Amino acid sequence: QVQLVQSGPEVKKPGASVRVSCKASGYTFTNFGIAWVRQAPGQGLEWMGWISAHNGDTNYARRFQGRVSMTTDSSTNTAYLELTSLQSDDTAVYYCARRGGYCISGVCYRYFDNWGRGTLVTVSS
Amino acid sequence: EIVLTQSPGTLSLSPGDRATLSCRASHIVSSTHLAWYQQRVGQAPRLLIYGASRRATGIPDRFSGSGSGTDFTLTISRLEPEDFAVYYCQQYGNSPSWAFGQGTKVEIK
Repeated sequence: QVQLVQSGPEVKKPGASVRVSCKASGYTFTNFGIAWVRQAPGQGLEWMGWISAHNGDTNYARRFQGRVSMTTDSSTNTAYLELTSLQSDDTAVYYCARRGGYCISGVCYRYFDNWGRGTLVTVSS
Repeated sequence: EIVLTQSPGTLSLSPGDRATLSCRASHIVSSTHLAWYQQRVGQAPRLLIYGASRRATGIPDRFSGSGSGTDFTLTISRLEPEDFAVYYCQQYGNSPSWAFGQGTKVEIK
């Protein structure tokens, strides 16, 4: 079965960077993209960006552009999220999700069909 | 940029009740690009509905989605104890990009 296993919790100081990993199994890694979504304490879901595991194409949400980087390593079936210049309001659970979907009769469906359990990143001085 | 607004913010209902959740988009959204997710406390989100009305694998048929244009609805026909959770609508856009509504909490009355 599809599994996305994320790295453990992180505590960072303001101004630091964090890297979160997401190891995929149970499917052909390069056939699907990976999205990253975060959730601040008590808040809703916020899409951060997406990366194609096939060719490395990315699209980042506007508010994170310039301080986010998403990469993949097909030799280990792992996706990575790096966020720099951390501030206290970056404290959140960070989720990776597989971008699933299919096309039929020219109509394409795109959705997040499998999620990791999340990685808590705490930014505190 | 499309903004999704969900209502109500909180829905207080009893097991066995019918739940109707709304998601309104600021611009017309293709129905093929609208999804719903459930998030139970302490868990990751789970895909319920995609393409506005198609149930994801393993989702019970008490969950149904409908709508088009700017107005979409998630209906839970008879609430089970495990259905008390937060529900998010999501839109898929060009580039590609995604956006979520702010969520509706379904709580036990």
